[in-house]
Amino acid sequence: GAGVSQSPSNKVTEKGKDVELRCDPISGHTALYWYRQRLGQGLEFLIYFQGNSAPDKSGLPSDRFSAERTGESVSTLTIQRTQQEDSAVYLCASSRGQEGEKLFFGSGTQLSVL
Amino acid sequence: AQTVTQSQPEMSVQEAETVTLSCTYDTSENNYYLFWYKQPPSRQMILVIRQEAYKQQNATENRFSVNFQKAAKSFSLKISDSQLGDTAMYFCARGTLGRLYFGRGTQLTVWP
Repeated sequence: GAGVSQSPSNKVTEKGKDVELRCDPISGHTALYWYRQRLGQGLEFLIYFQGNSAPDKSGLPSDRFSAERTGESVSTLTIQRTQQEDSAVYLCASSRGQEGEKLFFGSGTQLSVL
Repeated sequence: AQTVTQSQPEMSVQEAETVTLSCTYDTSENNYYLFWYKQPPSRQMILVIRQEAYKQQNATENRFSVNFQKAAKSFSLKISDSQLGDTAMYFCARGTLGRLYFGRGTQLTVWP
């Protein structure tokens, strides 16, 4: 596609429910990133996929968070048993996987946990 | 620590004037990259400018330039001839491959 696409744009859920966020990267981009942006904060790294290598999951805040990526295409970020502190914008980015390069970001998913 | 600090939560500037946004960082690495990203209300982060730490020459992109002081671990962004469309949140970031560390951002407002 022309850019990184994320869905849904907004998601409202009840505390304790599971949610799944989707990211479609730019075609041909081997690297894919998930970041979380809480209100008034910078971006927190969550997870990084690079080709067929094992993902860097060092930023996932708890075992309620998991992410998958099929090959070099779509990725899903799953949050189980959501908590109010999970409310944030979840941003996905992709790139060609080269050091120091520009990341292409999606418009994010605004998650609100009531 | 791998922190990036932006000490100015908000800045404002009149159209056509020049403004400088500050950023400092902490790292033990010798080779890394520094970035300024812009985030308008649409939420989509857009790269403004990039600097490679091993290059002494400051990066420039049209009206945007940086003042990179490696020893001081400082990386400020200068916007010349500010335009209304520059109004956005600006984030400083540092990293190499994969993981980027972001500051908390500076909300820049350009007024007519």
